[in-house]
Amino acid sequence: NAGVTQTPKFRVLKTGQSMTLLCAQDMNHEYMYWYRQDPGMGLRLIHYSVGEGTTAKGEVPDGYNVSRLKKQNFLLGLESAAPSQTSVYFCASSYGYRAQANYGYTFGSGTRLTVV
Amino acid sequence: QQQVKQSPQSLIVQKGGISIINCAYENTAFDYFPWYQQFPGKGPALLIAIRPDVSEKKEGRFTISFNKSAKQFSLHIMDSQPGDSATYFCAASMGSSASKIIFGSGTRLSIRP
Repeated sequence: NAGVTQTPKFRVLKTGQSMTLLCAQDMNHEYMYWYRQDPGMGLRLIHYSVGEGTTAKGEVPDGYNVSRLKKQNFLLGLESAAPSQTSVYFCASSYGYRAQANYGYTFGSGTRLTVV
Repeated sequence: QQQVKQSPQSLIVQKGGISIINCAYENTAFDYFPWYQQFPGKGPALLIAIRPDVSEKKEGRFTISFNKSAKQFSLHIMDSQPGDSATYFCAASMGSSASKIIFGSGTRLSIRP
């Protein structure tokens, strides 16, 4: 049981380049999320999805796009990378209901992205 | 009103001591308060969680204390160990269906041997 897998783990982009981050989960979770983590800023939600074919904006969506064509995959795209998008990106997934006492998110191990 | 404020930003505790991290919230609709633990190079992982109908929850050396009237909750790590050195995030969410969890800004905890 792999949980949440993110690829790639590291990437360096030049300003203006595009790329896609892939998140895959094998827990049959309904909900998936993309966060960015910056020093002193905690985890900020970029986009999320409540099911296959659906997406919604989070707290910091500008400059990013997402797609959820399959239930197990959630893709985060950067169309034209900027230095301000240098960050560590985390994908997470969860059940679509909160029935368990210790309900929570399962996070991937992150993608460290540097835009130069 | 959606924010969760966490303090301190960093904390150094001697081995065997008690580590205390505090969080405060404004939105009284929040009804689920988890804590996440993150080791360097890893994603956050659920550590312990509490609902506002109880004032305290203990799991091993980790205890959440919850003060509903003050809208505050805290994580206590008893007998802190070097292996507890990590970044800790408090969080809050609301509703019976899964919804966005609002995270605090994180506390970097270092336990000195």
